[in-house]
Amino acid sequence: DAGVTQSPTHLIKTRGQHVTLRCSPISGHKSVSWYQQVLGQGPQFIFQYYEKEERGRGNFPDRFSARQFPNYSSELNVNALLLGDSALYLCASSLDWNTEAFFGQGTRLTVV
Amino acid sequence: SQQGEEDPQALSIQEGENATMNCSYKTSINNLQWYRQNSGRGLVHLILIRSNEREKHSGRLRVTLDTSKKSSSLLITASRAADTASYFCATVPNSGYSTLTFGKGTMLLVSP
Repeated sequence: DAGVTQSPTHLIKTRGQHVTLRCSPISGHKSVSWYQQVLGQGPQFIFQYYEKEERGRGNFPDRFSARQFPNYSSELNVNALLLGDSALYLCASSLDWNTEAFFGQGTRLTVV
Repeated sequence: SQQGEEDPQALSIQEGENATMNCSYKTSINNLQWYRQNSGRGLVHLILIRSNEREKHSGRLRVTLDTSKKSSSLLITASRAADTASYFCATVPNSGYSTLTFGKGTMLLVSP
């Protein structure tokens, strides 16, 4: 059974550009969450979606947005990229809100 | 904001020794999960312990939870060089949303 898959694995963007990151959850998982991890820190919660509805949002600016599709895959969009957006972006899926969350390998975003 | 605080920040041991990492948190939780991360890649789920559980085992891993002290510990017995990684604890609140709040992690180095 495939785990959580994220694409792309690496990405280099210029300041001011826009980026879209993609995530496919484990089959049967309806909850998808996004996290940002900067070097030396633990992951920080960005968004959670459950059954295609936003269920939680972390302390991130409106430049960050996300959505979940009918097949439960998800996209994270970041507009007007800043150098400080450079980080590892992680997607996690879980069966329900209080069950194990499984992570993908992440997308390494570098903003130059 | 980071809720979990792992202790120590870094731990260096020899193969065969046991490694103990501690985690403290601030608010009431539904469950606490431990993860391993190798070289800034995706997080690997190790174990989930619920707020009504005190101890859980999985192979060489033993996790304890003390909700009165808002703390948890992860014990890795008979460590191997392959256990070298960063270890994070993450808490899930009783809010009904699966938003994991991570600490900064413990970097474990196991020398052959």
